[in-house]
Parts: sequence; C-alpha cells; structure tokens
Amino acid sequence: RKEVEQDPGPFNVPEGATVAFNCTYSNSASQSFFWYRQDCRKEPKLLMSVYSSGNEDGRFTAQLNRASQYISLLIRDSKLSDSATYLCVVVDRGSTLGRLYFGRGTQLTVWP
Amino acid sequence: EPEVTQTPSHQVTQMGQEVILRCVPISNHLYFYWYRQILGQKVEFLVSFYNNEISEKSEIFDDQFSVERPDGSNFTLKIRSTKLEDSAMYFCASSEVEGQPQHFGDGTRLSIL
Repeated sequence: RKEVEQDPGPFNVPEGATVAFNCTYSNSASQSFFWYRQDCRKEPKLLMSVYSSGNEDGRFTAQLNRASQYISLLIRDSKLSDSATYLCVVVDRGSTLGRLYFGRGTQLTVWP
Repeated sequence: EPEVTQTPSHQVTQMGQEVILRCVPISNHLYFYWYRQILGQKVEFLVSFYNNEISEKSEIFDDQFSVERPDGSNFTLKIRSTKLEDSAMYFCASSEVEGQPQHFGDGTRLSIL
C-alpha cells in the first residue's frame, strides 16, 4: 500500500525558474498535510503546512485538492539554496498522535 | 530556536548487540516520535509516545524495539538484538501540541556489521 506518492525527479532548473511538485495520497481520511525539505543525509525540516484553501509563504505556494487527493508545491524564483529533496507528508485522521506518512521525495537541483 | 538533539551522531555495532539511541526533545514538547530512513528510501514511522506510554507503533516496531523516557528530558530507543537490516538513519521528533508539525533531530546513523 503506497500511502503517499511523489514524482522522484530529479528536477534540474536554473536559478530564477519556477518549478512545481506534485503528490498524491491514497487515504481519503487524511487530515493534515505538510511539505518538508531534506538536505542530503540530514533531517527533514518543515517547509510549510498545507491548508485546504491553499497557502503561500514567500516564494512557496502549496495547494490541496481533497477531491483528487492531490497536493502541490510551487517554488517561484528558484535559488541555489532551494536544492534539496522535497517530502510530501500526510497525517491520517485515524492516527492517534499524528503519525506522519512520508513520500519518497522529489529531488530538486537549482543550477547557476 | 529550540532544537531536538540526538546522540550519538553515528553508532557502529556488531550484529546481535544491543544499542540505545538517545534524544532530548524540545523542552516544552509533550509528544515524541521515532522514525527511521534506510539509505535511499523514504522516512518511516516507528513509534509515538505520550504521557509515558506508547500511543502507536508500526509493524517495524517489533519486540526487539523499546522506548523509554527515563527522566524529564531524555527519550530513548533501544534495539535489543540488532540485525543487518536495522542499519539506517534514526530520527527523533517532538511536537508541542497533538497534530502540530513535528520537529526532527539531526539523526543517528546506525551501522550494523
């Protein structure tokens, strides 16, 4: 059972480009959604929560489509420092303490 | 910014030996978690812990695994008899409020020989 699926990439884009990542989840009862980023051999770090109405944080925009069970992340004006693996993360409604289900991640490389 | 800290950063152990991985969660956090990531694979949930007891555990968290909060600050993961397939990065996480984003430590790389 694959709870969270992502396009693994890699995405290789020049500085200043706009790039979008997609994610689908299998459990319609999922209740919370996040994007984390993970640098090579480092811990996952919260990038942003994803709300039903969509939300923006600077150059990052997240969208949620519950009907299609689909989450997206848009990065505008890419920076070299955006190079990382982006993890789509879901919490199921039935989870007692918010067990996180991770996708395998989408790798992004931003080149000068 | 407060951090989750983990020790050691790297642990090398012979197969069959016991290991204890240590974590100090953020001080006002009440919900604690362990995850692992085998090299090249996704991050996987092991166990959640609240009010001195396990709340939920995955199928990975079998009888060889145990968790403990021995004092007011530490949160430990013990693997009783390690196997080669236990080699992975182990992440501790904590959150202040149930359902809120979890903050991860920088991990312990466990290598089983």
